[in-house]
Amino acid sequence: AQSVTQLGSHVSVSEGALVLLRCNYSSSVPPYLFWYVQYPNQGLQLLLKYTSAATLVKGINGFEAEFKKSETSFHLTKPSAHMSDAAEYFCAVSKSYNTDKLIFGTGTRLQVFP
Amino acid sequence: DADVTQTPRNRITKTGKRIMLECSQTKGHDRMYWYRQDPGLGLRLIYYSFDVKDINKGEISDGYSVSRQAQAKFSLSLESAIPNQTALYFCASGLGGGETQYFGPGTRLLVL
Repeated sequence: AQSVTQLGSHVSVSEGALVLLRCNYSSSVPPYLFWYVQYPNQGLQLLLKYTSAATLVKGINGFEAEFKKSETSFHLTKPSAHMSDAAEYFCAVSKSYNTDKLIFGTGTRLQVFP
Repeated sequence: DADVTQTPRNRITKTGKRIMLECSQTKGHDRMYWYRQDPGLGLRLIYYSFDVKDINKGEISDGYSVSRQAQAKFSLSLESAIPNQTALYFCASGLGGGETQYFGPGTRLLVL
């Protein structure tokens, strides 16, 4: 069964520092991998999506993620954090036999300090 | 205007009451979804619908029912609310097949 693990429920960085949010999926390669962001009191918004076209995926707001099959990882990065990046981030994978079903990780709350 | 809207945004109810959460989307999507979010657990799928006549259970459907009144509308009902159904509920719509799901702003439900 597909599953996804996000390491670190809270991550704190200084403004301008590198952001690294970790996501590992179960050993069977899922068809699709996603990163969603949830700003306070809002719904989830897609940051980026992996669909096997390219291993390095660029998303909105300067975020990118790299699919690494050997490490079963899909970590999210941003070279320089902004205060506006403070939010909760969710990694999700789709089930192999039913790509409508998304399995979400437990989320990582990112804090950005001035 | 928002593409996916949910009403109400906040609701307080008592144990045993029946309540309905409503969702509408203007994106013309066939697929619609209901999730609940609990702190530390992420989002879990309650029900999803491929179209008006095709409704499917998700991971945690017990205690919930849904109705797809039209392509644009998908409502979630709690037949007899219990305190452990206190959560943040999200509706989403999408094209399916791994395409992006678009989420509403959420309904915060408190069951006393």
